[in-house]
Amino acid sequence: DVKVTQSSRYLVKRTGEKVFLECVQDMDHENMFWYRQDPGLGLRLIYFSYDVKMKEKGDIPEGYSVSREKKERFSLILESASTNQTSMYLCASSQSGVGYGYTFGSGTRLTVV
Amino acid sequence: QQQVKQSPQSLIVQKGGISIINCAYENTAFDYFPWYQQFPGKGPALLIAIRPDVSEKKEGRFTISFNKSAKQFSLHIMDSQPGDSATYFCAASMNTGFQKLVFGTGTRLLVSP
Repeated sequence: DVKVTQSSRYLVKRTGEKVFLECVQDMDHENMFWYRQDPGLGLRLIYFSYDVKMKEKGDIPEGYSVSREKKERFSLILESASTNQTSMYLCASSQSGVGYGYTFGSGTRLTVV
Repeated sequence: QQQVKQSPQSLIVQKGGISIINCAYENTAFDYFPWYQQFPGKGPALLIAIRPDVSEKKEGRFTISFNKSAKQFSLHIMDSQPGDSATYFCAASMNTGFQKLVFGTGTRLLVSP
């Protein structure tokens, strides 16, 4: 089974802190994604990566950055956490090509106080 | 043009009934339409998917109906069970060589015993 593992299930951080969310996949997938999930807004794409060291902005990249130094690992960074970044963060991976679904991690619920 | 509109936002169905969730899109370049199921505390998981060359796809109690001319697709859950209670997301992507899914806003389904 493909596994996408997110390092933390729950995080509480203070406003202004730098926050790192880590994601690791074990199926050699080329593509990795970071989404945030908020009630009524569905899944919104923050950043994605289609190769090591490659990254592309999604729909809501402001306040976030990412890092992909190794194929299996994709990190989301909140440069200076704010309360409006309190959310559920989901990491996903997929093979390249059409018709391949995403495999999601279980999510990290981040609360910024 | 990149949006996928999903309805209803929430749905209550009696056990044994049929659950129907609808999605609509504008971008005719979309050519892959998956549905994801998410249980509380878990990430979304691929449930079933369809390409536009067929009008219907069935897997067990789950069926996708696809209407290319109307740019609509729907998920039907036959003989709905309490274990089907979850949030369902439709999605779509283009055949661009890089698969980036656009998600609907989600439908929270509750199947009452």
